[in-house]
Amino acid sequence: QVRLVQSGAEVKKPEASVRVSCKASGYIFTANYIHWVRQAPGQGLEWMGWINPRNGGTDSAQKFQGRVTMTRDTSISTAYMELSGLRSDDTAVYYCSREDNNSWKNFDFWGQGTLVTVSS
Amino acid sequence: QSALTQPRSVSGSPGQSVTISCTGTSSDVGDHVSWYQQHPGKAPKLMIYDVSKRPSGVPDRFSGSKSGNTASLTISGLQAEDEADYFCCSFIGRYVFGTGTEVTVL
Repeated sequence: QVRLVQSGAEVKKPEASVRVSCKASGYIFTANYIHWVRQAPGQGLEWMGWINPRNGGTDSAQKFQGRVTMTRDTSISTAYMELSGLRSDDTAVYYCSREDNNSWKNFDFWGQGTLVTVSS
Repeated sequence: QSALTQPRSVSGSPGQSVTISCTGTSSDVGDHVSWYQQHPGKAPKLMIYDVSKRPSGVPDRFSGSKSGNTASLTISGLQAEDEADYFCCSFIGRYVFGTGTEVTVL
């Protein structure tokens, strides 16, 4: 069965960087885009960007351009999202999700989420 | 792009139907509208994609539609386990989520 398993919670100081991992299993990792979506406490969902695991191509929301880096390691079926220049309003649960490559433009499987807390 | 607008909350008794709207600007709601259910402390779950299609395993009491610039999710025959937050999402060059709706089963 398809599974996306994310790394554990992180606590970071302002201006630091954080890297979250997302290990995929149960399907061919290079066949589906991986997206990153975050959710601040008590707030809605916010799309951050995607990575194409086949070739490493990425795209991100304008808000995060210059601060977010998405990479992957195909040898271990894992995607990574690194966010730099952390601020208190980056405190959120960060999710990875898989884009459905049959119908496109929707997210059919999600990781369990990784809480990133930014605090001095 | 601004978030799509959803009602903050809707409620209904078991067995009733509720409808959640998702409204954007003239260019924000297209043919790639999806809906996600999220229980507290859990990851979102895909319920509807491409406006009105249901993934395998999603009960047929969940249905989606679109009229003009408003997409809608209807839950018919409301059940206790449907109590959750629901988010719409649209792709128009970029992905934009709705503000979210809390569904309460009375």
